Amino acid sequence: DIQMTQSPSSLSASVGDRVTITCRASRSINIYLNWYQQKPGKAPKLLIYKASNLQSGVPSRFSGSGSGTDFTLTIGSLQPEDFATYYCQQSYINTPFTFGPGTRVDV
Amino acid sequence: QVHLVESGGGVVQPGRSLRLSCEASGFIFSSYAMHWVRQAPGKGLEWVTVISNDGSILYYGDSVKGRFTISRDNSKDSVYLQMNDLTSEDTAVYYCARSEGVAAGIGFDYWGQGTLVTVSS
Repeated sequence: DIQMTQSPSSLSASVGDRVTITCRASRSINIYLNWYQQKPGKAPKLLIYKASNLQSGVPSRFSGSGSGTDFTLTIGSLQPEDFATYYCQQSYINTPFTFGPGTRVDV
Repeated sequence: QVHLVESGGGVVQPGRSLRLSCEASGFIFSSYAMHWVRQAPGKGLEWVTVISNDGSILYYGDSVKGRFTISRDNSKDSVYLQMNDLTSEDTAVYYCARSEGVAAGIGFDYWGQGTLVTVSS
C-alpha cells in the first residue's frame, strides 16, 4: 500500500496569511493526488484533483502543485471560512485510496 | 443538483450486522463508481470500499475485507454496504461518495452527509 504523510499536523494562522500544507507519498503517484477540506460535522469537500486542478466552484485562492512523491496545497490569502482540516488522498493505485492524516488549520 | 443521502446507521452490538444505504439523485447514477469512506470519532478519513458503475468491479480495504459487502441497484439509484461481524473498531461516520470511474483519478467530487454507526454492547 501507498502511505501518505502530511505536514504540519496542525497550524495556527490569521486571516490574510498565505498557508502551505505538504503531502508526501511513500512512492511515486505521478500527479494522482487530491486535496479535500473538511469542517467539523460536515462531509469532506474536494478542492483540488490531479495535484493542481481546481475543482469547479472552489475559490482561486486555493492552489496545488507537485508530482511524484511531494505535493503542496497553498491557500493564497486565508479567509475566515478556510479554518478547517485538510486531507490529501492518492488515487494512483486503485486500492486503497489512501488519505493523509490531515492538517488542521486554526486561528 | 447532486444529492447523496445515507441511512441505516445506529447502535449495534459487537458481532452483529448492519446494512447502510445511500440514495442518489441529480445525476446519472449508473455512470459513476460509488465509494464508502468512514471516519472514526476524532480521527481521519479511511477509504472502505468501491463499486464500479455497473457493479462488476469491487474493491475493499484490508480492515473490512471478508466482513463488508458493497452492492448497488441502479434501478433504485442506490448503493449499499452490508456490514457483518462488527467490532468497536468499526464505530465511525460512514460517508458515500462518487467518482468518475473506479480509478477515481479526479477524486470523490460529491459526498453524502454521513451516517453514524456505533458498535457497543
